[in-house]
Amino acid sequence: NAGVTQTPKFRVLKTGQSMTLLCAQDMNHEYMYWYRQDPGMGLRLIHYSVGEGTTAKGEVPDGYNVSRLKKQNFLLGLESAAPSQTSVYFCASSYTGRASPLGFGPGTRLTVL
Amino acid sequence: GEDVEQSLFLSVREGDSSVINCTYTDSSSTYLYWYKQEPGAGLQLLTYIFSNMDMKQDQRLTVLLNKKDKHLSLRIADTQTGDSAIYFCAEWVGGGNKLTFGTGTQLKVEL
Repeated sequence: NAGVTQTPKFRVLKTGQSMTLLCAQDMNHEYMYWYRQDPGMGLRLIHYSVGEGTTAKGEVPDGYNVSRLKKQNFLLGLESAAPSQTSVYFCASSYTGRASPLGFGPGTRLTVL
Repeated sequence: GEDVEQSLFLSVREGDSSVINCTYTDSSSTYLYWYKQEPGAGLQLLTYIFSNMDMKQDQRLTVLLNKKDKHLSLRIADTQTGDSAIYFCAEWVGGGNKLTFGTGTQLKVEL
């Protein structure tokens, strides 16, 4: 039981490049989330999903797209990376929504030059 | 608004108690959480409290909830160097499916 895993762990992009971050969970959780963490700002929700085939916008969705084609995977895409997207990205999952704690992945550190 | 507020830094001596404070905004929050983040790692759930409780104790951790003031605190007894980390409080917001986090409090434990 690996919990929540994220790939890659580190990535450096040039402005305008695209990439996809992959999150996978093996706990049969319905809910999955993408957060970004920036110094002094805590964690901010980018997008989330309440089940396979569903996605919803969070607090800071602009510049990102997501897909949840399979229950165990939640993909975060950057179509045209910008320096403002330099951050640490965390994926999380939970069995249900409210009243269900989130389990987090180890994070992906992304730098956009 | 949906801001969850925490002070950014706390420094304590090893063996002392640490108290990390948090104010939240949504009076309908059912569960409130404390997460710990060690350097270079993801967030780890430390403890949580249900909104109908005033206090919860779990070994060295004590959570206090003041619903009237929307204030949550985490007390760590006999703080150790291994407790040095960033601590986040979090609440479920309104009827949504999202967990909102505070800015995090960096706890530094000095010898």
